[in-house]
Amino acid sequence: AQKITQTQPGMFVQEKEAVTLDCTYDTSDPSYGLFWYKQPSSGEMIFLIYQGSYDQQNATEGRYSLNFQKARKSANLVISASQLGDSAMYFCAISGGGADGLTFGKGTHLIIQP
Amino acid sequence: NAGVTQTPKFQVLKTGQSMTLQCAQDMNHNSMYWYRQDPGMGLRLIYYSASEGTTDKGEVPNGYNVSRLNKREFSLRLESAAPSQTSVYFCASSEGPGGLAKNIQYFGAGTRLSVL
Repeated sequence: AQKITQTQPGMFVQEKEAVTLDCTYDTSDPSYGLFWYKQPSSGEMIFLIYQGSYDQQNATEGRYSLNFQKARKSANLVISASQLGDSAMYFCAISGGGADGLTFGKGTHLIIQP
Repeated sequence: NAGVTQTPKFQVLKTGQSMTLQCAQDMNHNSMYWYRQDPGMGLRLIYYSASEGTTDKGEVPNGYNVSRLNKREFSLRLESAAPSQTSVYFCASSEGPGGLAKNIQYFGAGTRLSVL
């Protein structure tokens, strides 16, 4: 079984500051993927970034980067230079080696203040 | 670029009624999924179809059935709706199986279902 823990139910951050959203995981699969999704108030789920367990470098996508520490089983999302439009729920998720779905955490509600 | 299309967007049912949620993707993906999202929770997997012709139970399958109609379409059926099935339902698709990056899932806009 796989598990995702997101320990920050909510965060308030000043605009233009960097943000780190925490995610720890547990899995018995030797091969796994880690994913972050954004859910704005409109409700859709938007894919942000992916990290494979064997990837040597941390993933980056524009202002998003994933701080992957395999030994600590953590996969924190870092948003640089936050913007008002970053206000949303953020979900961390994990998959195993097969196409059998994602296991999600409960999410972090991020609010960017002007 | 439609991506993943879900219908309907909203639905109100009475206890005991049945309905089918439709999902179609135009990305030529092999794998498709149904999730539900309840307040304060992340998404939980109901059923998935790793490839055309196969379906499997996820974490919370009770009260639901699915049909993988073809490569594009994956429907979710509630045979006798219960108030506990009030939720937001998301369909997703991925390129997979066969490689971790192929598990990146793309979601539809969701269906808000209320069962009275």
